[in-house]
Amino acid sequence: DTGVSQDPRHKITKRGQNVTFRCDPISEHNRLYWYRQTLGQGPEFLTYFQNEAQLEKSRLLSDRFSAERPKGSFSTLEIQRTEQGDSAMYLCASSHGPKTLPSYEQYFGPGTRLTVT
Amino acid sequence: AQSVTQLDSQVPVFEEAPVELRCNYSSSVSVYLFWYVQYPNQGLQLLLKYLSGSTLVKGINGFEAEFNKSQTSFHLRKPSVHISDTAEYFCAVSDQGNNNNDMRFGAGTRLTVKP
Repeated sequence: DTGVSQDPRHKITKRGQNVTFRCDPISEHNRLYWYRQTLGQGPEFLTYFQNEAQLEKSRLLSDRFSAERPKGSFSTLEIQRTEQGDSAMYLCASSHGPKTLPSYEQYFGPGTRLTVT
Repeated sequence: AQSVTQLDSQVPVFEEAPVELRCNYSSSVSVYLFWYVQYPNQGLQLLLKYLSGSTLVKGINGFEAEFNKSQTSFHLRKPSVHISDTAEYFCAVSDQGNNNNDMRFGAGTRLTVKP
């Protein structure tokens, strides 16, 4: 078990460009979460998947943001027409599904740091 | 909706001294509570969690926390800190009825351990 991995670790882009991040969860986990973390703040929930279904989205997830998990394994988070306010660390986490006690523990990846210039 | 307040943004402490990082939460329903640690340029690692049962919870690296329902607090403690404990610590809460779909984090407390 190699843990949750995220790629890339760092991304610098110009305002207006599109970016895509990838998250590979722990293999037996069927829940996957995306968070955003800005400097000096805790992670803020963006969205989560149960297998391939996107079950909840935060108000923070504007229409420029889209997340997918097509086969219930890895997930991608795309930001279109990036803005400077999108600069943040984007964290991915995974957990077991419902009805199992370990589902309450989320395992986090190292994050992707996005800088929009 | 639930919310979390970490009362100290920075806590400096000398090595081998005790430390307490404070966390208060608000929620209209019963909650699960967590403490995570984040080292520079890394993701979050779970230190400990309170789900039910004993209000004193022991975690990794010698940390423990006590759930106080009447004071809606979940303070993190360690009797003797090491230089390697220098990191950012986050308290988090999720509603018991929400199946951990929406975990809310505090703003974090930066613990700096000085020699």
